[in-house]
Amino acid sequence: ILNVEQSPQSLHVQEGDSTNFTCSFPSSNFYALHWYRWETAKSPEALFVMTLNGDEKKKGRISATLNTKEGYSYLYIKGSQPEDSATYLCAFSGGSNYKLTFGKGTLLTVNP
Amino acid sequence: DVKVTQSSRYLVKRTGEKVFLECVQDMDHENMFWYRQDPGLGLRLIYFSYDVKMKEKGDIPEGYSVSREKKERFSLILESASTNQTSMYLCASGDHRETQYFGPGTRLLVL
Repeated sequence: ILNVEQSPQSLHVQEGDSTNFTCSFPSSNFYALHWYRWETAKSPEALFVMTLNGDEKKKGRISATLNTKEGYSYLYIKGSQPEDSATYLCAFSGGSNYKLTFGKGTLLTVNP
Repeated sequence: DVKVTQSSRYLVKRTGEKVFLECVQDMDHENMFWYRQDPGLGLRLIYFSYDVKMKEKGDIPEGYSVSREKKERFSLILESASTNQTSMYLCASGDHRETQYFGPGTRLLVL
């Protein structure tokens, strides 16, 4: 079983703070790295799919970077808002199969 | 708007019962997946299917089986439910290695 690690496990920030968290994954046989946001009582929602080393993606106040050589990705949230509170999951896709291997997630709580 | 639906949001079953969890997608995706989510363990893949009537074991297939008779429908079967199968079950669909789209989840309690 592949090892996909996310840190920190949970995070509390104040509204307006900027924050970031990390996903580490195997650096061999890399195909893609996915980020999802999972709000309570909703379905996980795709944020980004990243495939190239050095990729940077942005969606509003959220952005992500990718380093496939060293096997990590960062997710950044600028000016956190209470509605950003969610679990953020990363998922690794590699080798020749269809599977995504998920990390355990980072639970972000943004206090008003 | 993409849509993955699951037959129940909440389900309570007794130990030993046969349980069917149904998932339907309307996006004509080739691949469908069943995961379970448990506190502290993240999303773990139970089974997936890459075509009608085709299936592959995921990381934790023990105690489960699946059925994919039609492209849009993927069923997860607990042949004899046990208390350690109490969990949140999520279905997803997607095309080859692309984004997976998730259903709302079924919270199953086995008594």
